[in-house]
Formats: sequence, C-alpha cells, structure tokens
Amino acid sequence: AAGVIQSPRHLIKEKRETATLKCYPIPRHDTVYWYQQGPGQDPQFLISFYEKMQSDKGSIPDRFSAQQFSDYHSELNMSSLELGDSALYFCASSLRTSGSLYTGELFFGEGSRLTVL
Amino acid sequence: AQSVTQLGSHVSVSEGALVLLRCNYSSSVPPYLFWYVQYPNQGLQLLLKYTSAATLVKGINGFEAEFKKSETSFHLTKPSAHMSDAAEYFCAVSDPNNNDMRFGAGTRLTVKP
Repeated sequence: AAGVIQSPRHLIKEKRETATLKCYPIPRHDTVYWYQQGPGQDPQFLISFYEKMQSDKGSIPDRFSAQQFSDYHSELNMSSLELGDSALYFCASSLRTSGSLYTGELFFGEGSRLTVL
Repeated sequence: AQSVTQLGSHVSVSEGALVLLRCNYSSSVPPYLFWYVQYPNQGLQLLLKYTSAATLVKGINGFEAEFKKSETSFHLTKPSAHMSDAAEYFCAVSDPNNNDMRFGAGTRLTVKP
C-alpha cells in the first residue's frame, strides 16, 4: 500500500539559508500535517491542511510557511534558518471524513532530517 | 484542547518481563487515543488506537491498551518484553471532530537481556 512520501530525506543547510520540504500524502487522504521533532523531543505540531486550506496552526515560527497544492501534496518552506531548526520534520496524512472510512489515525512519513550548520 | 502526559521518560525492563507504559489524557470531548512507536531514525508507526469502540484495544507486536474514562488513562502493556521492543513510545490524543493530534513527551523503553 502507498505510504506518505517525504523528500528530501536529509538536508544540510547553512544558517540564514532557506529550505523546502515536500510531502506527498497517501492517495485520497484529504488532510496533511507537519510536525517537528527535535533531538530527544516529542513531535511538535506545526500546521495542518484540510482540502488545501489551512486547518490548524501550532508552534510554527513566522519564518516558516506551508501550503497544500491542488494535487494534495504539501510543502514546508523554512527561511532564515537557525541552528535550532535542526530537527526531524514529519509529514502525516489522514482521511478526515466521517463514516466507515474514518479511522482517526495519522499516517506518518519517514521524515526529513534537516541539519543547520 | 487535548493533551497527554506520559509518566516516566525512561522505562527499563528485563526480557520476558511485563511492559507497562503510562499515559493520562486531558480532553474536553470524548477523545481518540493512540500509541505510536518510533525506532531510531525512523517515522512513527501506529501500535494501536482507541476510537470509542471496545475499551480494551489490541495492537501489533503483542501490545494492548485499556481506555479507562474514570482514570483518564490509556496505559500500554505487553505481557512479555522482547529485545526488539526497545524503542521510543508516544501516546497521542485527538479530537474526533478535527483530527488534530497531540503527542506526549514519549517514553524510551529499554529491554535488558
């Protein structure tokens, strides 16, 4: 079965540079989530999109922005990178509809590891 | 708003011993509850979930959890630990109306030979 695809898997950037992470949700999933997991930390919710509209916003810095495109893939853009942005960034997708197809869980990608030097 | 608290950031058990990882939740609505496992440098994998059906939920790899509303708990158990169970375990809660999920701080399980 198709899973959530994230790219790139690893990314190294210098301070003050810009990075873009991509996420391709499971086909027919209508909701995408972004999480940031620092070393030894739990995943922190950044932002989510439902049907290409921003749904909820968590602890996402103003330097970060995200969007979901017409094909449902999502991109997380990070500018003016700081050392503290080094983390594992997870994308997850789900099907947010009621009925027999609603399972409630999020399906996670393998993550994109960003290292800021 | 929902939140979860995982009691104990590190749990160490001997191989073959009982595993008990504790999770308490707070939610303003009847919640959905989840346990995810994360192996080093990997993504989060769903172990099991409670979505308002049976309160005793069985998951993969022999794990199970019981939803106790009176105690606002959703503790994860496994009768006999295996070396391969060593990982980070995250409890999570979501509001069924918006599906936004919040994670606990995680519990690192170590299994000793």
